[in-house]
Amino acid sequence: GENVEQHPSTLSVQEGDSAVIKCTYSDSASNYFPWYKQELGKRPQLIIDIRSNVGEKKDQRIAVTLNKTAKHFSLHITETQPEDSAVYFCAASKGGGADGLTFGKGTHLIIQP
Amino acid sequence: KAGVTQTPRYLIKTRGQQVTLSCSPISGHRSVSWYQQTPGQGLQFLFEYFSETQRNKGNFPGRFSGRQFSNSRSEMNVSTLELGDSALYLCASISTPNTGELFFGEGSRLTVL
Repeated sequence: GENVEQHPSTLSVQEGDSAVIKCTYSDSASNYFPWYKQELGKRPQLIIDIRSNVGEKKDQRIAVTLNKTAKHFSLHITETQPEDSAVYFCAASKGGGADGLTFGKGTHLIIQP
Repeated sequence: KAGVTQTPRYLIKTRGQQVTLSCSPISGHRSVSWYQQTPGQGLQFLFEYFSETQRNKGNFPGRFSGRQFSNSRSEMNVSTLELGDSALYLCASISTPNTGELFFGEGSRLTVL
């Protein structure tokens, strides 16, 4: 089955700096790659997603890039703010949607003031 | 529109017992997925149901089972509980398979003593 590796497990950045989280996947048939953010004590929520027919997608300070050949995708957060502190999960699936998602183990992003 | 509702929110069981968790998806959503969240393993996929049929299943032992009712509500059951089953069990719904966002509930936190 699919295996998603996520790095780093913990990332500490200064407020205003950029943060990058990287994921690799094993199944070349995977075609949907979402990112979820989980604040402390809250439920995970979708922040951005990308499908395999697109190489990059942006939404304000957040961007995701996908390299299908290398089977890796990354989350980029620019101008980090305190409210960006959370655990971020990458995921992959083959069905083009959110059913049967395989998640990475998460990255704890800490924004230092 | 009400979100995904999970009950009970917290429960404590002892080894060897069984537990049943309930999930009511967002009104109109017909697909329900279950995930186990633990600090070391992140979000692990248990199973997914659509129209009362199991569409996908994760790599968990047969002690973990689930079902979905005609009103899309879902239950999962864990029999012969082990200490390692202590986790947050998250339910998520999407409107139909192969569409975008998973909407998570707040979870049922199970502690096995």
